[in-house]
Amino acid sequence: DAGVIQSPRHEVTEMGQEVTLRCKPISGHNSLFWYRQTMMRGLELLIYFNNNVPIDDSGMPEDRFSAKMPNASFSTLKIQPSEPRDSAVYFCASRPSTGGGEQYFGPGTRLTVT
Amino acid sequence: AQSVTQLDSQVPVFEEAPVELRCNYSSSVSVYLFWYVQYPNQGLQLLLKYLSGSTLVKGINGFEAEFNKSQTSFHLRKPSVHISDTAEYFCAAGRDDKIIFGKGTRLHILP
Repeated sequence: DAGVIQSPRHEVTEMGQEVTLRCKPISGHNSLFWYRQTMMRGLELLIYFNNNVPIDDSGMPEDRFSAKMPNASFSTLKIQPSEPRDSAVYFCASRPSTGGGEQYFGPGTRLTVT
Repeated sequence: AQSVTQLDSQVPVFEEAPVELRCNYSSSVSVYLFWYVQYPNQGLQLLLKYLSGSTLVKGINGFEAEFNKSQTSFHLRKPSVHISDTAEYFCAAGRDDKIIFGKGTRLHILP
């Protein structure tokens, strides 16, 4: 099993540009989570999907952030326009329908907005 | 409301010494409990989990944790740490898609 795949691993962009982060969950997992990690705020849940449907997006910081899951094997997190305060590591995680809640994390995308 | 508290943001410990990382949770319903480890520049990976049954749970890399319902705690322990245990450790509680993570504890291994 390849695990959760995220791309790109590193992204450097200028303020105002659009950024798209990608995630491929583990095959057969039916829940997908997007997290943001910073030194100041720790690990924050942004949004999660169950069976490709967004269930809770209360963690999305503002309208500049959007996430989609068009099918069971792909999700995107988009920031438009990006700002320096969006600099963080963004993690995607997926979870099977059984197991009690264990999540499998991807390696993360380190985003730097200058 | 559910919450997870990791009382120590950083824990320094000498190599080969024992360590305990503390975690307390609050929840109005029964929850599952997890410890994750994050090595530098990597994602989180599961160390161990408590779903039910024996309150002492053994995980990978020689770690174990004990569920204490009366104290609502799930402390992580290792009898002898190695330099390779340098990482950040996250406690989490919840069920299914409702998992809450603590703020993490950085374990520093001193030579």
